[in-house]
Amino acid sequence: NAGVTQTPKFQVLKTGQSMTLQCAQDMNHNSMYWYRQDPGMGLRLIYYSASEGTTDKGEVPNGYNVSRLNKREFSLRLESAAPSQTSVYFCASSEVAGLYNEQFFGPGTRLTVL
Amino acid sequence: AQSVTQLGSHVSVSEGALVLLRCNYSSSVPPYLFWYVQYPNQGLQLLLKYTTGATLVKGINGFEAEFKKSETSFHLTKPSAHMSDAAEYFCDVGGSNYKLTFGKGTLLTVNP
Repeated sequence: NAGVTQTPKFQVLKTGQSMTLQCAQDMNHNSMYWYRQDPGMGLRLIYYSASEGTTDKGEVPNGYNVSRLNKREFSLRLESAAPSQTSVYFCASSEVAGLYNEQFFGPGTRLTVL
Repeated sequence: AQSVTQLGSHVSVSEGALVLLRCNYSSSVPPYLFWYVQYPNQGLQLLLKYTTGATLVKGINGFEAEFKKSETSFHLTKPSAHMSDAAEYFCDVGGSNYKLTFGKGTLLTVNP
């Protein structure tokens, strides 16, 4: 039982390049999330998917797109990377929508945009 | 709407001393409160959570937190700090939607 996995672990991009961050969970969770973590800012929600087939914007969605490929996988795409997107990205999942919303996190992807 | 305020972005204690990390929240619905811990270069993991019932919640690694509705607080404590407790701690509130609202985090340093 791997939990939440993310690939890649590290990535360096040049401004304007594109890339997709991959996330998968094996806990049969319905909801999945993408966060970015920046020093002094805590975690900020980029996008989330409450259930398979749905996606919604979070707090900081500009410059990103997401795809809920199936129940297990939720990818985050940067179409044209900017230095402001240098951050650590975390994927998370939770069992069901609702108030008991404990989330399980992946190990993160460290992205640098030059 | 929910929000979380963590008082103190950095807390430093000596090994064996009391750990107290402060969290205040606001919520328009009965809150569900969480503390997560993030060790260096890792993702977050759940320490403990309050949903309903007993207001003193015990978590992993000897941590506990008390929900005080009158003070809108959910402070995290541990009687005796260990070097392995050095990490960043996040307080979070879940509300009537799918999302958690995270505090900005408190970095705990434990000095030998």
